[in-house]
Amino acid sequence: NAGVTQTPKFQVLKTGQSMTLQCAQDMNHNSMYWYRQDPGMGLRLIYYSASEGTTDKGEVPNGYNVSRLNKREFSLRLESAAPSQTSVYFCASRRTVNEKLFFGSGTQLSVL
Amino acid sequence: GDSVTQMEGPVTLSEEAFLTINCTYTATGYPSLFWYVQYPGEGLQLLLKATKADDKGSNKGFEATYRKETTSFHLEKGSVQVSDSAVYFCALSETGKLIFGQGTELSVKP
Repeated sequence: NAGVTQTPKFQVLKTGQSMTLQCAQDMNHNSMYWYRQDPGMGLRLIYYSASEGTTDKGEVPNGYNVSRLNKREFSLRLESAAPSQTSVYFCASRRTVNEKLFFGSGTQLSVL
Repeated sequence: GDSVTQMEGPVTLSEEAFLTINCTYTATGYPSLFWYVQYPGEGLQLLLKATKADDKGSNKGFEATYRKETTSFHLEKGSVQVSDSAVYFCALSETGKLIFGQGTELSVKP
């Protein structure tokens, strides 16, 4: 039972490079989320997809794009990475709005 | 927009002390409220939740009551243990969105 799978676990980018973080869940969840976690800032919502076919901006969407490819997969893209995007990124999913969130193991991203 | 504000940490307590971590929120409608906990080196896990006003969530000796009149969801525990040392996050969920407070680090000393 894999749960929420994120790849890669670690990534180092140079300023201006692009990359896509992949996320997949096998729990048939409707809603999926991307967060970033920075020291002293908690988790900040980047984008979310309340259901298949929809995506919405969260608290800090600038510099990111997302794709809900199907019910299982929700990817996060950095088109032109900046040092301010150095962070730990978490994908998460849940079945309905009142149920608990299941988290992936995180991606540690450094932008030099 | 929606937001969650938690008391700043770190909070340092002695074992068996009483714990309160304050959480207040702003929301346009009637959100569900959650407390998540992150133990050292681990991911976030749900601690408790409340889905409507006056509901009380409880788990592992922790409690929080959804107070609509004060827009609060304070976390309490009567007697903390060293094993409760962690970072605690208050969160709200509305119309599919789920946002977190900045987290409060708790350190319990023997």
